[in-house]
Amino acid sequence: EIVLTQSPGTLSLSPGERATLSCRASQSVITNYFTWYQQKPGQAPRLLIYATSSRATGIPDRFSGSGSGTDFTLTISRLEPEDFAVYYCQQFDIPPFTFGPGTKVDIK
Amino acid sequence: EVQLVESGGGLVQPGGSLKLSCAASGFMFSASSMHWVRQASGKGLEWVGRVRDKRSSYATGYGESVKGRFTISRDDSTNTAYLQMNSLKPEDTAVYYCGRAYCGAGFCYVDYWGQGTLVTVSS
Repeated sequence: EIVLTQSPGTLSLSPGERATLSCRASQSVITNYFTWYQQKPGQAPRLLIYATSSRATGIPDRFSGSGSGTDFTLTISRLEPEDFAVYYCQQFDIPPFTFGPGTKVDIK
Repeated sequence: EVQLVESGGGLVQPGGSLKLSCAASGFMFSASSMHWVRQASGKGLEWVGRVRDKRSSYATGYGESVKGRFTISRDDSTNTAYLQMNSLKPEDTAVYYCGRAYCGAGFCYVDYWGQGTLVTVSS
């Protein structure tokens, strides 16, 4: 199965700062099958980015995704208070459709 | 409005069985793949499996940790997906979410999730 590794495990930043989250796959993933989710405590995951770089409906443009092959990145250009959460990457290329372990973005 | 409502969670003894339901509305259920994901308390998301639509012969796929014990099915007449869980272990304790997958020509993602239902496996 494809193993996804996210780094860092925790990112401590202040509102207004830029966040860069990384997800590395154990083998190449087709870009159209790579997604990012946001999850807040007690809530279901929320789709942020699909097909590596396309924002889901209603997602503000401070969120952007990039990458190819085995290296993918989620960038939040300027953190808003509501952005402090856990972020997961997932691949839909080869079953099982694995998730990364998550990156927690918390307030510094 | 897309809605997914899971039900059927609860307390079950190790070795027991439980069947979760996911009632869907607000979209063309029969044309959608349905996924199940779980999350143990304080842990990350784990993909459990999925059932594809009729056009794809209702094909199923499962995560390694549940393969052979869990079965995903669907009833397009009632817009409901199911997760049958057998031979349950304490490590299956988690919140279980169902999700609707939107798949097109060369892309796929889950864009809607239910609120989750808690399964506790304990004696």
